[in-house]
Amino acid sequence: AQKVTQAQTEISVVEKEDVTLDCVYETRDTTYYLFWYKQPPSGELVFLIRRNSFDEQNEISGRYSWNFQKSTSSFNFTITASQVVDSAVYFCALSGEGSNYKLTFGKGTLLTVNP
Amino acid sequence: DAGITQSPRHKVTETGTPVTLRCHQTENHRYMYWYRQDPGHGLRLIHYSYGVKDTDKGEVSDGYSVSRSKTEDFLLTLESATSSQTSVYFCATQGNGYNSPLHFGNGTRLTVT
Repeated sequence: AQKVTQAQTEISVVEKEDVTLDCVYETRDTTYYLFWYKQPPSGELVFLIRRNSFDEQNEISGRYSWNFQKSTSSFNFTITASQVVDSAVYFCALSGEGSNYKLTFGKGTLLTVNP
Repeated sequence: DAGITQSPRHKVTETGTPVTLRCHQTENHRYMYWYRQDPGHGLRLIHYSYGVKDTDKGEVSDGYSVSRSKTEDFLLTLESATSSQTSVYFCATQGNGYNSPLHFGNGTRLTVT
């Protein structure tokens, strides 16, 4: 069975601080995909990134960066110079092979960025 | 975005009544999903569909059924609503292969009294 663990239930930071959201996954599949989604207070779920298991390059998009390490089964998400608009629940998710293609989500991390 | 509309957006119903939630998409995506979101549980898969009339159970399917008679519509039915089914329900679609990102609707907040 696949599993995604987001150990941080809630994180609170002050604006302009850097913050890292942890994601640890479990799968027996060789090929798999990892995702991050954002859910702002308005409630919609917004796709942020997808990574496949063969691409361990770190990804940077503006203030957002993702660190994928197969050796530790982690796919961590860092927000640099956080802003109040980054306040949201962030979900990590995993999709695997065959019948495991359905996304398995972690329980989410609530990030609050205070002014 | 994938043009996903969920209806209704909010519903209050009584225990024991049947409830149907509708998900309508305009992108001709093959895969559709129903998730529920509850505090402390994240998003949990209820049912999913991989084509018209092709559906299967997710991890929390008890008390729910689904139907997909057209590509664009995926219906979730609570056969006899219980208070434990009070939740926010999200529909999602997936196109371009089964490992592509999900696109979500805006959710339906259901309260069972």
